[in-house]
Amino acid sequence: GAVVSQHPSRVICKSGTSVKIECRSLDFQATTMFWYRQFPKKSLMLMATSNEGSKATYEQGVEKDKFLINHASLTLSTLTVTSAHPEDSSFYICSARGISGETYEQYFGPGTRLTVT
Amino acid sequence: GQNIDQPTEMTATEGAIVQINCTYQTSGFNGLFWYQQHAGEAPTFLSYNVLDGLEEKGRFSSFLSRSKGYSYLLLKELQMKDSASYLCAALDSNYQLIWGAGTKLIIKP
Repeated sequence: GAVVSQHPSRVICKSGTSVKIECRSLDFQATTMFWYRQFPKKSLMLMATSNEGSKATYEQGVEKDKFLINHASLTLSTLTVTSAHPEDSSFYICSARGISGETYEQYFGPGTRLTVT
Repeated sequence: GQNIDQPTEMTATEGAIVQINCTYQTSGFNGLFWYQQHAGEAPTFLSYNVLDGLEEKGRFSSFLSRSKGYSYLLLKELQMKDSASYLCAALDSNYQLIWGAGTKLIIKP
């Protein structure tokens, strides 16, 4: 099956710093990548959708200047949390959808647990 | 508005059968997904239904009724490792996934 990697798996940073999370599709080309965050015992919340080579589409309430998304190639998307605050602490998950995604199935990365102190 | 409803929590016994229901209301419909998510991990794909009927895949089966806006995930011969959250998600007319809040399944020996 399709594999999506995410790096780092865990990160602890101080308030005010920026953190970059990478999402890679390892064995397929991902035309569309999705970024989610998930709070404990809650469902996935879609933050943004990005298509290769174009600007990301952010969901309502998600600050585009705070959560910078770059989908530079068909196998890589990055999420940068800028000027992190403790309330940004969460589980961030990316998913990718392939070129021949007839079923529109999303393949998920393993997630990144961000803790802002 | 768009909405996905599924029970918050269910409990079942090892070796038994459990059915997790999901109802959906979306603007357009292009299929329904079930994902399994263990605590602290990302979701993993279980099934996809776009036509009415039952799809069987080993111990897991998924059913869809488009006219009723209803789906269920059936888990047979439950094992302790099946303890997880099960997420129902519908694909809307824009091919965006609308997620349910998930059903936490607790398996007891």
